[in-house]
Amino acid sequence: DQQVKQNSPSLSVQEGRISILNCDYTNSMFDYFLWYKKYPAEGPTFLISISSIKDKNEDGRFTVFLNKSAKHLSLHIVPSQPGDSAVYFCAANSGGGADGLTFGKGTHLIIQP
Amino acid sequence: EPEVTQTPSHQVTQMGQEVILRCVPISNHLYFYWYRQILGQKVEFLVSFYNNEISEKSEIFDDQFSVERPDGSNFTLKIRSTKLEDSAMYFCASSWGGSPGANVLTFGAGSRLTVL
Repeated sequence: DQQVKQNSPSLSVQEGRISILNCDYTNSMFDYFLWYKKYPAEGPTFLISISSIKDKNEDGRFTVFLNKSAKHLSLHIVPSQPGDSAVYFCAANSGGGADGLTFGKGTHLIIQP
Repeated sequence: EPEVTQTPSHQVTQMGQEVILRCVPISNHLYFYWYRQILGQKVEFLVSFYNNEISEKSEIFDDQFSVERPDGSNFTLKIRSTKLEDSAMYFCASSWGGSPGANVLTFGAGSRLTVL
């Protein structure tokens, strides 16, 4: 039961170009979406989030777009840097409280020099 | 920067043995979580803990699992009788709030459990 789907297991982008990571969800109760970044041998680290009442949130080189009607969100990284090479997880939450996050399987982003 | 610390980083155990994984959440956080990631698969929610009791648990968190906050700083995950399929990376996380805007989890580096 994949409520959060990241259909691209990996993505290769040239340094300096834009990286676009995609995520789809099926649960219409989700109202908060987060992106986490994970390096090998480390835990996921929070990157950026967006509430369902917004369609865009920007933080420096990172922008998340949310299309509620399509149940789709994307993370844009521009310009891409070598340190951005990592696994990126899309996650979603509903209802607040102490609800656990539902994660996608992750996309391995590789930034090529 | 405050961080979540987990011990051990790697534990190897025999099937049927009990395992305790330990976590020290960020000191002013109120919500605590365990997640796991089986090799090659997604990060899966196990359990959340608030106000000294379980708030929510997934189907994975069956009677073999238990959590405890034995003192003011540690948060533990116990697996009573380990199975081969319990082999995974276990991540502890904490957050200061439970509402979506505050529900930004900080994760530890993980404890790798290998069951032989």
